[in-house]
Amino acid sequence: DAGVTQSPTHLIKTRGQQVTLRCSPKSGHDTVSWYQQALGQGPQFIFQYYEEEERQRGNFPDRFSGHQFPNYSSELNVNALLLGDSALYLCASTLDRGNTIYFGEGSWLTVV
Amino acid sequence: GENVEQHPSTLSVQEGDSAVIKCTYSDSASNYFPWYKQELGKRPQLIIDIRSNVGEKKDQRIAVTLNKTAKHFSLHITETQPEDSAVYFCAASPGGTSYGKLTFGQGTILTVHP
Repeated sequence: DAGVTQSPTHLIKTRGQQVTLRCSPKSGHDTVSWYQQALGQGPQFIFQYYEEEERQRGNFPDRFSGHQFPNYSSELNVNALLLGDSALYLCASTLDRGNTIYFGEGSWLTVV
Repeated sequence: GENVEQHPSTLSVQEGDSAVIKCTYSDSASNYFPWYKQELGKRPQLIIDIRSNVGEKKDQRIAVTLNKTAKHFSLHITETQPEDSAVYFCAASPGGTSYGKLTFGQGTILTVHP
């Protein structure tokens, strides 16, 4: 039973560029959330997808957008990258409303 | 929105001692409280969780207690071992359609000395 998988694991981008990160939820899970974890801090909620719709959103600008596909996998897109976007981006999955939340290994993004 | 405060920020213990980490939350709608262990460069791994209809939960050397009235919950690790050294995060999530929006505490760096 595969857990939450994310790709790529590491990437380096230049300021102003755009990036797409991908996530496949744990088998049987239908809800995907994305978090940003800056160095030395706790993860911060970006948004959550359920039934291919953004259901909740944290305090992040519109440069952060996402998508969920019919197979429940998800993408996180960040436009106009800033140096401050450098962080570990974590995907978490769960079965809707009330089940354990599992995290993937994350994607390390460095913006130079 | 929810605010989770976690203390202490660092905790140093001798192997075999107990460790306690405490969190408080602000939103009475929160009803799910997981604890995650994160080793350097790795993902947060769930170690134990508790729901608001339960006051205490135990899993071997790890236990969590929840006081809904006071809005605080605590992680207890007994007989600590060097491999328990990591950063520990508490988190809180509301229920219903807002379920899964975890708000994390600031983290506790636990060091267990052999």
